[in-house]
Amino acid sequence: SQQGEEDPQALSIQEGENATMNCSYKTSINNLQWYRQNSGRGLVHLILIRSNEREKHSGRLRVTLDTSKKSSSLLITASRAADTASYFCATEDSNYQLIWGAGTKLIIKP
Amino acid sequence: DVKVTQSSRYLVKRTGEKVFLECVQDMDHENMFWYRQDPGLGLRLIYFSYDVKMKEKGDIPEGYSVSREKKERFSLILESASTNQTSMYLCASSTGSAPNEKLFFGSGTQLSVL
Repeated sequence: SQQGEEDPQALSIQEGENATMNCSYKTSINNLQWYRQNSGRGLVHLILIRSNEREKHSGRLRVTLDTSKKSSSLLITASRAADTASYFCATEDSNYQLIWGAGTKLIIKP
Repeated sequence: DVKVTQSSRYLVKRTGEKVFLECVQDMDHENMFWYRQDPGLGLRLIYFSYDVKMKEKGDIPEGYSVSREKKERFSLILESASTNQTSMYLCASSTGSAPNEKLFFGSGTQLSVL
């Protein structure tokens, strides 16, 4: 079964606005990763946050992790047309299995 | 930058055919993976390999086999293609002792089985 579940399934915002998407999971994890997938292409690793970390930044990306709520959020600030893509979270559980969510489809309108 | 190359971008095959999907990575990564991606289901692991000649079943290995004769190449084989194997197939690789961290993906092969 899928552990990571992204929310919302789809998000449409204006260019320049911030985009926030969430990932919830069910069991304890070692780490959580976010990946981006442009239409019909492979996935690109964005950021990894470990279970003992609460927040990480990379450029316009900010990831938070709340292990008490078993959830993570990905914030993209000052969105651009090129951010249009699907975003996936992947959690590594305590058995070292990597489990993927079904993704959030983000559309940035010009 | 790591490059993971999948041999075909689109492939159309007939039911019952034997299908080979090839994947090559150029950064000497130890770990390689085959996933399939279907709408609304996320990625599901078919097989993985942590070393040459080594292979392990993932979550959905039925109907598939793999081969890793060389470190850089990981092949996925559909012994007798069926329509329910129509999907996007993604190959990935990673380095070191944390195989699930920072996977590098190929561009994918969209396989249609008619």
